[in-house]
Amino acid sequence: KAGVTQTPRYLIKTRGQQVTLSCSPISGHRSVSWYQQTPGQGLQFLFEYFSETQRNKGNFPGRFSGRQFSNSRSEMNVSTLELGDSALYLCASSDYRDRASNYGYTFGSGTRLTVV
Amino acid sequence: DQQVKQNSPSLSVQEGRISILNCDYTNSMFDYFLWYKKYPAEGPTFLISISSIKDKNEDGRFTVFLNKSAKHLSLHIVPSQPGDSAVYFCAASKWADSGGYQKVTFGTGTKLQVIP
Repeated sequence: KAGVTQTPRYLIKTRGQQVTLSCSPISGHRSVSWYQQTPGQGLQFLFEYFSETQRNKGNFPGRFSGRQFSNSRSEMNVSTLELGDSALYLCASSDYRDRASNYGYTFGSGTRLTVV
Repeated sequence: DQQVKQNSPSLSVQEGRISILNCDYTNSMFDYFLWYKKYPAEGPTFLISISSIKDKNEDGRFTVFLNKSAKHLSLHIVPSQPGDSAVYFCAASKWADSGGYQKVTFGTGTKLQVIP
């Protein structure tokens, strides 16, 4: 089956702009989580959506928001971009019924955001 | 509060030797642990997992050891190969306080370089 698809792969934005990233999970997966990866900080959890509801949120400012649609596709939005928002943004979809195998957690290839 | 820690940001090992990557956690409620491997410009991919009821799980060249009393897990790669050069993340999961779903916490990653 198709993997997790993130678009776009690369993005360059200017400070103060806003950006929307998209994630299409594996078919049948209802949970989508977003992570920010920066050098030395590992994978920082942003938020998780399950059946269109945000049920878990990390410690990021309100400029970071997301949503999930009825087909489980998810979008992440960052408003008023800052230079420090430059990072690789990863989404992962999961099926919690498949915990024993990979925990059902599959990542996309990410969107590389550069803020100039 | 970093509940999952990988204290070694990098590790270099000669090809054919053993690579040992370490991970410590603080929350005793974690009951499932995973290792992911990440190449540049790609999303992390699942490598191996272990349930808290076990102390060892082996898959080919990869073995994960869990020491619950020390809240420590390690990943052994034997023998190490140049293709193993990547960033390795450990992750731990537990049931959410509200119940009904799992929360996954990632470490900061260890960059492994296997020298030919």
